Amino acid sequence: NAGVTQTPKFQVLKTGQSMTLQCAQDMNHEYMSWYRQDPGMGLRLIHYSVGAGITDQGEVPNGYNVSRSTTEDFPLRLLSAAPSQTSVYFCASSQQGFYEQYFGPGTRLTVT
Amino acid sequence: DAKTTQPNSMESNEEEPVHLPCNHSTISGTDYIHWYRQLPSQGPEYVIHGLTSNVNNRMASLAIAEDRKSSTLILHRATLRDAAVYYCILHNTGANSKLTFGKGITLSVRP
Repeated sequence: NAGVTQTPKFQVLKTGQSMTLQCAQDMNHEYMSWYRQDPGMGLRLIHYSVGAGITDQGEVPNGYNVSRSTTEDFPLRLLSAAPSQTSVYFCASSQQGFYEQYFGPGTRLTVT
Repeated sequence: DAKTTQPNSMESNEEEPVHLPCNHSTISGTDYIHWYRQLPSQGPEYVIHGLTSNVNNRMASLAIAEDRKSSTLILHRATLRDAAVYYCILHNTGANSKLTFGKGITLSVRP
C-alpha cells in the first residue's frame, strides 16, 4: 500500500491565484481530513470528510473548498491564494473518526 | 474542548527509557487521550491512544493517572529515530469533535 499520497510536494503561488492540492489514499478509509501547520505550531483542521459525498468544516475553513466524490480522493482547493495561506498542508485518513489517522508527507505552499 | 499541557522540550539518552508527561486537568469522561509524533519534515504519525486503562503497543506504552488528569507516554528504549515532536491530544467522541494539536514536546535523543 502507498498509504496517503499528496501532490505536489512544493508549490509557489502568487496572491489571487487558485490551485488544488491533491490527496489520495489506498486503504479504503472512510474519514479524510486536511490540516495546515504554520511554523512552530501544531496542526489545525481545515476540512474533513466522513465518507464520499459528505464534508464538513474544521477549525480554519475560510478560503478553502473541498469535495469528496470517491472514497480514495479528497482534494483541497484554494480559491484565491493569500500570503496568510503560506503553510505546510497535511492530508490524513482513518478508518473510524479521528482515531489512528495516517498522514501524508505534506505539501509546502508559499504564497507571494 | 479540554486542553493539554506539555513541557516544551525534553532530552534523553539513546537506549534509555523516556517518560513524556501530559497534563489534562479539564478532561471529561468521554475524552480519549491520543499521542502522535512528528519527525522532522514529515507528517505526524499515530503512536497510541487510550481512555482509562494503560495501553501498550509495539511503539510505546500509555500510562493514565487514576483521576485521568494526567498521562505519560513511555518509550521503553529510545533510539535516535525517536527524536521528534510528540503531541498529546484530547479527543471527545461527541458530535462535531475533532483532534486539536497543540505545540507538543520536542524530544531530543543523545547518542
